[in-house]
Amino acid sequence: DAGVIQSPRHEVTEMGQEVTLRCKPISGHDYLFWYRQTMMRGLELLIYFNNNVPIDDSGMPEDRFSAKMPNASFSTLKIQPSEPRDSAVYFCASSLRGRLGELFFGEGSRLTVL
Amino acid sequence: GQSLEQPSEVTAVEGAIVQINCTYQTSGFYGLSWYQQHDGGAPTFLSYNGLDGLEETGRFSSFLSRSDSYGYLLLQELQMKDSASYFCAVTEGNQGGKLIFGQGTELSVKP
Repeated sequence: DAGVIQSPRHEVTEMGQEVTLRCKPISGHDYLFWYRQTMMRGLELLIYFNNNVPIDDSGMPEDRFSAKMPNASFSTLKIQPSEPRDSAVYFCASSLRGRLGELFFGEGSRLTVL
Repeated sequence: GQSLEQPSEVTAVEGAIVQINCTYQTSGFYGLSWYQQHDGGAPTFLSYNGLDGLEETGRFSSFLSRSDSYGYLLLQELQMKDSASYFCAVTEGNQGGKLIFGQGTELSVKP
């Protein structure tokens, strides 16, 4: 299997611009997670989906952040408008129902907002 | 809310044994996982403990005591390539659920 695929790997944008991060989970996985990693805050869970349905979005920092999962093989995380404090590495991960605690992570999208 | 505590840094020499501890406070605990991350790359799964006791996978072992809200990762026969960040993570919610990560422990293995 190809693993979790994220794009873009790197993005540099200016404050106020819209940013869209994309994720393709491992085929057959039921759960999809979006995490953000920074030095100060570590790995923060932003939102997760079960069978394409958002289950918990309590980690989404503000209304500027939104996530969708239109089908089992694709998810997006959108930031509009972006701010410098959004600069971080955004990871997508997927897991199988019944495989507690075992997440498969993508390589991450490194976002820099100037 | 949840909180996980683990040391920020640990240093050890090649061939030695090192233990990374993790204590947690959470509502709805199902299990404790450990992940390894090299140089900001993708975190990779190492182990999961749902029940008390020791789980062994090669040079790595992980332990859980639910009554003490405590676990550890034990790395034996350390190699230079083990230098990385190690995260404990708590699973909340049955059947795959929510995974909350600690701040990570940076392990440096010296020759």
